[in-house]
Amino acid sequence: AQSVTQPDIHITVSEGASLELRCNYSYGATPYLFWYVQSPGQGLQLLLKYFSGDTLVQGIKGFEAEFKRSQSSFNLRKPSVHWSDAAEYFCAVGGNNDYKLSFGAGTTVTVRA
Amino acid sequence: SAVISQKPSRDICQRGTSLTIQCQVDSQVTMMFWYRQQPGQSLTLIATANQGSEATYESGFVIDKFPISRPNLTFSTLTVSNMSPEDSSIYLCSVDSAATTDTQYFGPGTRLLVL
Repeated sequence: AQSVTQPDIHITVSEGASLELRCNYSYGATPYLFWYVQSPGQGLQLLLKYFSGDTLVQGIKGFEAEFKRSQSSFNLRKPSVHWSDAAEYFCAVGGNNDYKLSFGAGTTVTVRA
Repeated sequence: SAVISQKPSRDICQRGTSLTIQCQVDSQVTMMFWYRQQPGQSLTLIATANQGSEATYESGFVIDKFPISRPNLTFSTLTVSNMSPEDSSIYLCSVDSAATTDTQYFGPGTRLLVL
């Protein structure tokens, strides 16, 4: 069975500081990995995805994520956080021709001035 | 990516009634999905809606409670039937764009409160 664990329920970070959100997955085959962001009152927006190739993936809004197969991890990072990055972040796992995405519980990011 | 709209964006309903949520996509897509996000929770897949066939429901969800229609490649509806306060959630549709296989894009969601 596939599953995703996001160990941090809530993270508070100062504006301009770096941010790292953790994601660990369990998947029986080669995983497809995704990060989505949900701003208050909004739907989910795709930040980035990893299917294969370079394990460091660049996304929108200055985010990047690194796939580490040995650690079953796909952590999301941003070097300098903006107040507009305050949102909930979801990691998800799926697979080739496997339309079923499994989502983590989410991490809420608060940005303080 | 596809542009997805949902109607209504939010609603307050009385228990025992039903609400139909619409999902419209600006391009033809093969697969459409319906998710539920209960307050403070993550997303749970309700069902997959493919055009021309019956929807496929996930464990814990049944057609009598959540009937789904998929009349064409750009539109789907989800009905939440005989609602109770436990149905208060955000309902999201997503699509797997034919142009970008295995990637789901989400609509803005429908926020439902059942009193």
